[in-house]
Amino acid sequence: NAGVMQNPRHLVRRRGQEARLRCSPMKGHSHVYWYRQLPEEGLKFMVYLQKENIIDESGMPKERFSAEFPKEGPSILRIQQVVRGDSAAYFCASSPRQLAGAEQFFGPGTRLTVL
Amino acid sequence: DQQVKQNSPSLSVQEGRISILNCDYTNSMFDYFLWYKKYPAEGPTFLISISSIKDKNEDGRFTVFLNKSAKHLSLHIVPSQPGDSAVYFCAASGGERGGADGLTFGKGTHLIIQP
Repeated sequence: NAGVMQNPRHLVRRRGQEARLRCSPMKGHSHVYWYRQLPEEGLKFMVYLQKENIIDESGMPKERFSAEFPKEGPSILRIQQVVRGDSAAYFCASSPRQLAGAEQFFGPGTRLTVL
Repeated sequence: DQQVKQNSPSLSVQEGRISILNCDYTNSMFDYFLWYKKYPAEGPTFLISISSIKDKNEDGRFTVFLNKSAKHLSLHIVPSQPGDSAVYFCAASGGERGGADGLTFGKGTHLIIQP
């Protein structure tokens, strides 16, 4: 019974490159959330997706960031033209249902370092 | 504008004693509150939650208390064990988006259990 899987666990990019972070939710979960954690900070909500739909992207920067959750395959968080300030831990969470207060199950995170 | 605040960055407690972690919030529209535990290099793990219509929820060694009028909640761990040493995040859901939206996290409290 695999949990939420994220890969890669560590990603190093140079300024201006693209970063692609992948998230496979728990089996049976159709709701996916992405969060970013900067050093010494809490997790900040970025985007909430269901299969093939973006439900809420109010926490995601308007420029350079995009997310998708296709019908088949993992959810992808894409960061174009990365800058040093994008260095952070990116966590994906999934939930089985759309219910207020529903527990979200987190993956181990992808640590992005921008050189 | 931090809507969920954990004012103690760290807390040291002797093994066997009670650990009390505090959390304050400003958004009166939050309707669920959750506590997560996080070890280094891992994703957060759900501990316990409480609905805004309740004032207490208990699960084993963990109890969460909610004081809605003071916009304050606390997590009690008794007795504290060495494995409880971790960062604890308070999170809230609801707000203006309502439904199963992204969580709003505090910055965390690092709990250290001393032998």
